Amino acid sequence: NAGVTQTPKFQVLKTGQSMTLQCAQDMNHEYMSWYRQDPGMGLRLIHYSVGAGITDQGEVPNGYNVSRSTTEDFPLRLLSAAPSQTSVYFCASRVQGNAQPQHFGDGTRLSIL
Amino acid sequence: SQQGEEDPQALSIQEGENATMNCSYKTSINNLQWYRQNSGRGLVHLILIRSNEREKHSGRLRVTLDTSKKSSSLLITASRAADTASYFCATDSTSGTYKYIFGTGTRLKVLA
Repeated sequence: NAGVTQTPKFQVLKTGQSMTLQCAQDMNHEYMSWYRQDPGMGLRLIHYSVGAGITDQGEVPNGYNVSRSTTEDFPLRLLSAAPSQTSVYFCASRVQGNAQPQHFGDGTRLSIL
Repeated sequence: SQQGEEDPQALSIQEGENATMNCSYKTSINNLQWYRQNSGRGLVHLILIRSNEREKHSGRLRVTLDTSKKSSSLLITASRAADTASYFCATDSTSGTYKYIFGTGTRLKVLA
């Protein structure tokens, strides 16, 4: 049972490039979320999904796309990378319903030059 | 805007001492959770307290919740060097959107 797996762990991009951050969970969790963590700002919600085929925007969705074709995978796409997207990105999953803990991956550290 | 705000931002104590960190939030909640983040790692869930609970314990952790003041506190008793980490509170809301909002965190350093 690997939990939540994020790849890659580190990535450097040039402004304007696109890429996909991968997230996979093997716990059969319905809910999955993407956060970005910036110094002094805690975690901010980018997009989330409550099940396969269902996604919604979080607090800071601009510049990012998501899809949820399977329960296990929830990739995050940067369409045209900008220096403001330099951050650490975390994927999380949990079972549906209220009062459920989230399980986090170890993050992807992304630098945009 | 973030719903949870922690204070202090940073805390440095000696091993064996107790550590207390506080979280304030803005709107009605169903529950509040505390997470720990070790350097370079993801967040790990510590404890959850529901809106109808006032206090909860788990090992060396004690969490209180005051919904009238919209605040919570996390107490770590008899701190150890391994407790050195950042601690975050996370709140949902009663609006039913199933989104959790995280605070800015408290950086705890426990000196051996």
